[in-house]
Amino acid sequence: DQQVKQNSPSLSVQEGRISILNCDYTNSMFDYFLWYKKYPAEGPTFLISISSIKDKNEDGRFTVFLNKSAKHLSLHIVPSQPGDSAVYFCAFSGGGADGLTFGKGTHLIIQP
Amino acid sequence: NAGVMQNPRHLVRRRGQEARLRCSPMKGHSHVYWYRQLPEEGLKFMVYLQKENIIDESGMPKERFSAEFPKEGPSILRIQQVVRGDSAAYFCASSLTDGYNEQFFGPGTRLTVL
Repeated sequence: DQQVKQNSPSLSVQEGRISILNCDYTNSMFDYFLWYKKYPAEGPTFLISISSIKDKNEDGRFTVFLNKSAKHLSLHIVPSQPGDSAVYFCAFSGGGADGLTFGKGTHLIIQP
Repeated sequence: NAGVMQNPRHLVRRRGQEARLRCSPMKGHSHVYWYRQLPEEGLKFMVYLQKENIIDESGMPKERFSAEFPKEGPSILRIQQVVRGDSAAYFCASSLTDGYNEQFFGPGTRLTVL
């Protein structure tokens, strides 16, 4: 039972361009939405979040969009930089358990 | 930098042995969460603890796994009689309050069962 889907295992983007990462979810009880970034052999690092009462939250180069009717969450990074190369996980809160529900991750590769 | 600390970073055990994983939350945080990540998978929630209390263990396997967060000292995730399928990365996270605040993760413990 997959409540969260990150359909792109990997994404390659040219430096300076926009990176768009996507998540789809099915659990309508989710009410807080987060993005984490993870480098190899490290723990996930919190990036940005959004509550269910908003549809957009911006922090510097990072913007998270929430489309509740479509149950779709996305992260925009612009402009993309080499240090953005990492695995990005969407994570969801409020789905019935106290922990976060994670997607499988998208490996973002920024090409010079 | 008083981030979330986990030790050991790497742990090798033979089948049937016990594994003990430790987690010290960020300073001031009293909520601890444990997650497991299998290869090519996302993190899976296991258990949520506050000091001396297990709040939610809905993601914890029913046998061989236990967790505690004593009044003093780190949180411990214990796996008894390990099997090869327990090989994974185990991450601990902490938060300032429960509910919807962001969780901050430690570097993880990589458990390998031979």
